[in-house]
Amino acid sequence: QKEVEQNSGPLSVPEGAIASLNCTYSDRGSQSFFWYRQYSGKSPELIMSIYSNGDKEDGRFTAQLNKASQYVSLLIRDSQPSDSATYLCAVFMFSGGYNKLIFGAGTRLAVHP
Amino acid sequence: DTAVSQTPKYLVTQMGNDKSIKCEQNLGHDTMYWYKQDSKKFLKIMFSYNNKELIINETVPNRFSPKSPDKAHLNLHINSLELGDSAVYFCASSQDTTGGRSSYNEQFFGPGTRLTVL
Repeated sequence: QKEVEQNSGPLSVPEGAIASLNCTYSDRGSQSFFWYRQYSGKSPELIMSIYSNGDKEDGRFTAQLNKASQYVSLLIRDSQPSDSATYLCAVFMFSGGYNKLIFGAGTRLAVHP
Repeated sequence: DTAVSQTPKYLVTQMGNDKSIKCEQNLGHDTMYWYKQDSKKFLKIMFSYNNKELIINETVPNRFSPKSPDKAHLNLHINSLELGDSAVYFCASSQDTTGGRSSYNEQFFGPGTRLTVL
């Protein structure tokens, strides 16, 4: 089992819709979770962090964490074409003898007008 | 002001050469990282330094040698470059690497260095 899993996509949504991106992780003891956005040819940009069960909202973005089910999701409301990018889920976990950030393979989101 | 900067942005070189990539952060962070993103876009940690001390050394060929002259700088030297080293290398920094629930673990990335080995 991969440590952090995401559907690779592409996830295609119409402009104005809600995009829902999901991620599961293997380490039940993980406590810090992050979503990064990466445009093609650019570096990952931190857009959300979440540490407690429940929802955390920031503008059009909502991160949701369910530690019992070991999943974290990102909702993007009123999706815009400029949201088209790859979204990377990252989980801070103890792995291979270290505390480190483990990234999923990313979900490619395409928002079409 | 750029928070995490890397040079060069692009690096094209021949197999067998030695090259270096430099990274600097002006965020006042204690921890810096090198990541490799391969052609499948998978982002994987290579090294981590906390206050100039090596704390993470993943299974990376010993042709890769990081150096941290001070906590604001982390360089990556690669000897005897191979075709498989072609990738994008990202530097990142965070306030700390304590684990637990902490914004100290938030990592901020540099613009990347696209390395092409011919």
